[in-house]
Amino acid sequence: EDQVTQSPEALRLQEGESSSLNCSYTVSGLRGLFWYRQDPGKGPEFLFTLYSAGEEKEKERLKATLTKKESFLHITAPKPEDSATYLCAVGPDNYGQNFVFGPGTRLSVLP
Amino acid sequence: NAGVTQTPKFQVLKTGQSMTLQCAQDMNHEYMSWYRQDPGMGLRLIHYSVGAGITDQGEVPNGYNVSRSTTEDFPLRLLSAAPSQTSVYFCASSYSIGGGKAFFGQGTRLTVV
Repeated sequence: EDQVTQSPEALRLQEGESSSLNCSYTVSGLRGLFWYRQDPGKGPEFLFTLYSAGEEKEKERLKATLTKKESFLHITAPKPEDSATYLCAVGPDNYGQNFVFGPGTRLSVLP
Repeated sequence: NAGVTQTPKFQVLKTGQSMTLQCAQDMNHEYMSWYRQDPGMGLRLIHYSVGAGITDQGEVPNGYNVSRSTTEDFPLRLLSAAPSQTSVYFCASSYSIGGGKAFFGQGTRLTVV
């Protein structure tokens, strides 16, 4: 059975304090590893897609990396506006669109 | 460009009532899907469609029906609401080929009492 887990469940950082979020997955036939950001009361918003072990993508203070079994979302010098829930998902099916989501990591960045 | 639009944003139903959650996208995406999000759990796929006239079941389809008569619209029907269907529902759309990113609506928060 395809599974995605994320840790930690919640993370509180001081502004400027860098850290990493983890996403571990077991799927048959990985099509892509996706990271989304979700703000309270809103739908998930796409951040990154990674397809191959060793691949990295960056956007502002965020960098996503991928290995064969897990992905990390590194947050460098976070700001309060980075506070959100970060969702990890894999797309294992033939269409590459039926995502299996992890439960998310709720990030709070304090000023 | 509106993206994915869901209505209503909030709804309270009594057990046994029926209702339709609306979803529309203006990006000409072939693929549309419905997810539910519950506390402590990831989004779970309910139903999906790869094009007009084609639908299929996801992980948690029981109690829900869908149809896809146009590319733009993908409504989700609750036939007889149950308290276990209390959740936040998200509609998503994307191009079907290549495993690209999905665009999500703002969600519908449904409470069944």
